[in-house]
Amino acid sequence: EDKVVQSPLSLVVHEGDTVTLNCSYEVTNFRSLLWYKQEKKAPTFLFMLTSSGIEKKSGRLSSILDKKELFSILNITATQTGDSAVYLCAGLVWRSNTGKLIFGQGTTLQVKP
Amino acid sequence: DTAVSQTPKYLVTQMGNDKSIKCEQNLGHDTMYWYKQDSKKFLKIMFSYNNKELIINETVPNRFSPKSPDKAHLNLHINSLELGDSAVYFCASSPRTGARFGGYTFGSGTRLTVV
Repeated sequence: EDKVVQSPLSLVVHEGDTVTLNCSYEVTNFRSLLWYKQEKKAPTFLFMLTSSGIEKKSGRLSSILDKKELFSILNITATQTGDSAVYLCAGLVWRSNTGKLIFGQGTTLQVKP
Repeated sequence: DTAVSQTPKYLVTQMGNDKSIKCEQNLGHDTMYWYKQDSKKFLKIMFSYNNKELIINETVPNRFSPKSPDKAHLNLHINSLELGDSAVYFCASSPRTGARFGGYTFGSGTRLTVV
């Protein structure tokens, strides 16, 4: 059965701290690994990683994929209270000629002032 | 302009009722999805439609019936609602080929509460 596992499930830090969120996956017909940020409503897209070892960066956020060890990490440096959210990791698998996202259970990040 | 819009945003109903949630996307995407997010924030795919054709149907009870009148709309009808159906339901869309590139856009969700 396809499985995506995130850790930790929750995290409380103070502004300025650096955090690392983990995501491991066991899925068949794997294509890519995606990270989303979910605040009150819809998940919003952060990164998609398809190749191993290539870091993607967007401001204070960065992510990398290891396809050999089947995991990805999301780093957030100099955290701000606006980073407080649920971070979702998802494996994109290809089935029946279409893509399907298999989500992990999410990491709830709280950044305190 | 809202890219993927769902109505209603909130739905409170009694057990045994039948209800529908509507979804529309104005992105020109070919593929649409329904995801269910439970109280533990776990998002799980329910259905996927490509150009009005059902592509993915996960192990969802028969009480749930999706309908796609055209590729811009995917509605979800639920019969005989049960307490366990309480969740947030997200509609999403992607271009068929763009699914390879993570081009998923989610709606803002419909919070369904069954009492």
